[in-house]
Amino acid sequence: NAGVMQNPRHLVRRRGQEARLRCSPMKGHSHVYWYRQLPEEGLKFMVYLQKENIIDESGMPKERFSAEFPKEGPSILRIQQVVRGDSAAYFCASSDSRGLEAFFGQGTRLTVV
Amino acid sequence: ELKVEQNPLFLSMQEGKNYTIYCNYSTTSDRLYWYRQDPGKSLESLFVLLSNGAVKQEGRLMASLDTKARLSTLHITAAVHDLSATYFCAVDMTGTGGGAQKLVFGQGTRLTINP
Repeated sequence: NAGVMQNPRHLVRRRGQEARLRCSPMKGHSHVYWYRQLPEEGLKFMVYLQKENIIDESGMPKERFSAEFPKEGPSILRIQQVVRGDSAAYFCASSDSRGLEAFFGQGTRLTVV
Repeated sequence: ELKVEQNPLFLSMQEGKNYTIYCNYSTTSDRLYWYRQDPGKSLESLFVLLSNGAVKQEGRLMASLDTKARLSTLHITAAVHDLSATYFCAVDMTGTGGGAQKLVFGQGTRLTINP
């Protein structure tokens, strides 16, 4: 049973480009969460999704950031027109419907140059 | 707004010694988690504490939860070099029975264990 799979592991984008981060939850998990970790800091909640629904996006920046979890395929975190301040590690986690414990993926380290 | 504070933020200790990391949080929650993170890596789940008075132990690590005091501790016994890492506590904002997780993390405690 594979864990939470994120790709790419490392992503370099120039300012103004788009970044797409993918997350496949653990088998049997229907809840996906995205967190951002800035250097030397803890993780900050961004968004919580279930299949085809955004449940809580209270941690998402109002502009340029969007997330989806389609019926088929991985969850996608999309950042448009990236800026240097978007450089961070982005972690995806998944849980089953009970939500007692979430398991984290390896993260995508985004560098904006 | 829920705040989670850890202390100390940096801890350098010698092998064989005991120490405790503290995690305080500001509003009621019955779910608290401890994670370990090695540099450049993901988070490894260490403990899930789901009720007041919960105590869990794994090897040289022991975690406890006091929901009345809004305090969790991670105790390290006879530290060894392999335990060097950053340790995070996280509190679930959604409350019990929420069916989901929305974690607020502490700042992390960077633990260095010297031979």
